[in-house]
Formats: sequence, C-alpha cells, structure tokens
Amino acid sequence: DAGVIQSPRHEVTEMGQEVTLRCKPISGHDYLFWYRQTMMRGLELLIYFNNNVPIDDSGMPEDRFSAKMPNASFSTLKIQPSEPRDSAVYFCASSIQGFSYNEQFFGPGTRLTVL
Amino acid sequence: GNSVTQMEGPVTLSEEAFLTINCTYTATGYPSLFWYVQYPGEGLQLLLKATKADDKGSNKGFEATYRKETTSFHLEKGSVQVSDSAVYFCALRRVDFGNEKLTFGTGTRLTIIP
Repeated sequence: DAGVIQSPRHEVTEMGQEVTLRCKPISGHDYLFWYRQTMMRGLELLIYFNNNVPIDDSGMPEDRFSAKMPNASFSTLKIQPSEPRDSAVYFCASSIQGFSYNEQFFGPGTRLTVL
Repeated sequence: GNSVTQMEGPVTLSEEAFLTINCTYTATGYPSLFWYVQYPGEGLQLLLKATKADDKGSNKGFEATYRKETTSFHLEKGSVQVSDSAVYFCALRRVDFGNEKLTFGTGTRLTIIP
C-alpha cells in the first residue's frame, strides 16, 4: 500500500499567487482530512470529507482557502490569493469509518513558503 | 468543548533515561485517546491508542493508560533511544456517530542525546 500521497512536497510562491495542493488518500478510505501545521498554532484541522462530501469546514481560515474532492481518490486544497502568513506544512490524512479507534493515516506533507 | 493539554517542551533526555510526557483532556462522554508521533520531515503516525477507561495502549516500548478519574493519558517509556527523538502528540476522539475528528494537543518535542 502506497499510503497517503501528497504533491508537491515543497512549494515556494510569491504573495498573490494561486497555490494548489494535492492529495491521494489510501484506497478504500472514506474520510479525508486537511490539516495545517505551524510553530505558532500547532496542528489545525482545516476541513474534512466523508465519501467526497465536505462535512466540517469550520477550520478553513477564510475565503481565500477552498477544498474539493471530486472523487474518492483525489482532493485539492487551493489558496487564492496566497499570503506570507499561509506559510506552513499542510498535511492530508485519510481514515475508514467504522470504529472509535480507527487510525488516521497521514501523508508526508507539503511545505508551503509564500514570499 | 473537547481539548487536550500536553506537557510543554522541548524535552531533552540522555539515552536509556525514563520518559514521561503528560497529557490531560477535557471531553464530554467517553472519548478514545491516542498518541501520535512525528519524526523529522514526516507526517504523523499512530503510536498507540486506548478506547475505554483503564485500557493500556502499548507499542515500541511506549505505554499509556487511560485514566478516567484523572482525565489523563500520560506517555511513558522505560529506556529511551536516540531513534525516539520526535514530536509526540496526544489526541482524543469523541465517540459520536459520524464524528471522525481528532482533537490534538500542541505536541511535545523530544530529543534524546547519546
């Protein structure tokens, strides 16, 4: 099993540019999560999907952020326009519904730097 | 609401020392509790879990016991190794139908010196 795949691993862009982060969850998993990690704020849940439908987007910081999941094997997180304060590591994770102890499997993350 | 409070880091220990990282939680009902570990440059991975009071989770020499009376889930290891250097996150999941959200603590950075 390839695990959760994220691309790109590193992204450097300039303020005002559009950024798109990509995620492929583990096959068969029906939940997908997007997190952001910074030194100041720690690990924050941005949004999560169940069966491709957004369930909770209360963590999305503002309208500049949007996420989609067009099918069970692909999701994107888009920032438009990007700002320096968006610099962070963005993680995607997936899990399978069923039990209270089900593990979330994390991808390796995308390190975003906005100049 | 749900919250997790972790011991502030960073923590630096010598190899073979005893490790404790404190974690307490606030939650309604009976949550499931987890420890995740993040090695440098990687995503988080599950280290151990416990789903009910008095359960002990264990893995790779690490242990944590779900203490409902003290709302705690402290992580322990008897003899740490350099390879244990990482950031450790305590987390909880409230057991509601359809609720898959994890609430994480702020993380504790552990460095083991040879």
